Amino acid sequence: QKEVEQDPGPLSVPEGAIVSLNCTYSNSAFQYFMWYRQYSRKGPELLMYTYSSGNKEDGRFTAQVDKSSKYISLFIRDSQPSDSATYLCAMMKSSTLGRLYFGRGTQLTVWP
Amino acid sequence: GAGVSQSPSNKVTEKGKDVELRCDPISGHTALYWYRQSLGQGLEFLIYFQGNSAPDKSGLPSDRFSAERTGGSVSTLTIQRTQQEDSAVYLCASSPPGGGRNTGELFFGEGSRLTVL
Repeated sequence: QKEVEQDPGPLSVPEGAIVSLNCTYSNSAFQYFMWYRQYSRKGPELLMYTYSSGNKEDGRFTAQVDKSSKYISLFIRDSQPSDSATYLCAMMKSSTLGRLYFGRGTQLTVWP
Repeated sequence: GAGVSQSPSNKVTEKGKDVELRCDPISGHTALYWYRQSLGQGLEFLIYFQGNSAPDKSGLPSDRFSAERTGGSVSTLTIQRTQQEDSAVYLCASSPPGGGRNTGELFFGEGSRLTVL
């Protein structure tokens, strides 16, 4: 079993919809939680970063971390066709800072 | 260029041959990482460099894989006697001093797509 689980989708939604993406994890040592976005044939780029539990909002994006349930989420409001990409959750331990553990990624398509 | 540069972008090789993949990180970034992205498997950590030394090489899947970094800049990942299961996209990333280790923000290149026939 992978340490980070993520449903690969694919997920297809109409423009303007609210999108919910999720990951679960098994290792309680994870303290840092990230969401990366990867467009086709490109490298991943950091979208959101959260330390420990709580919520973080940045424009149309909200990241949530529930350490008690070992569950993290990314919400996208008013989704746009330009949001179509693969979204990867990633996590990091305090003991191995810089080494990220990734989920498999969820492929999202937002159609006009 | 301002980003992480990787070459070649695509490499097709025959089983048993050796390949070298190159990474040129963002200028001033002291940390450099190699990851592998296989179909349906997500990104897997291979090795981490801080300057020219590799404090964490625990992700290298076998002794056929090796990597080096010179001058605190360019890195080369070498795969010897390639196997079909080595087919994947090899991604390099870098981060500034204190950056990736504090926030998990890595700056990725576009990857080298390796196909082993």
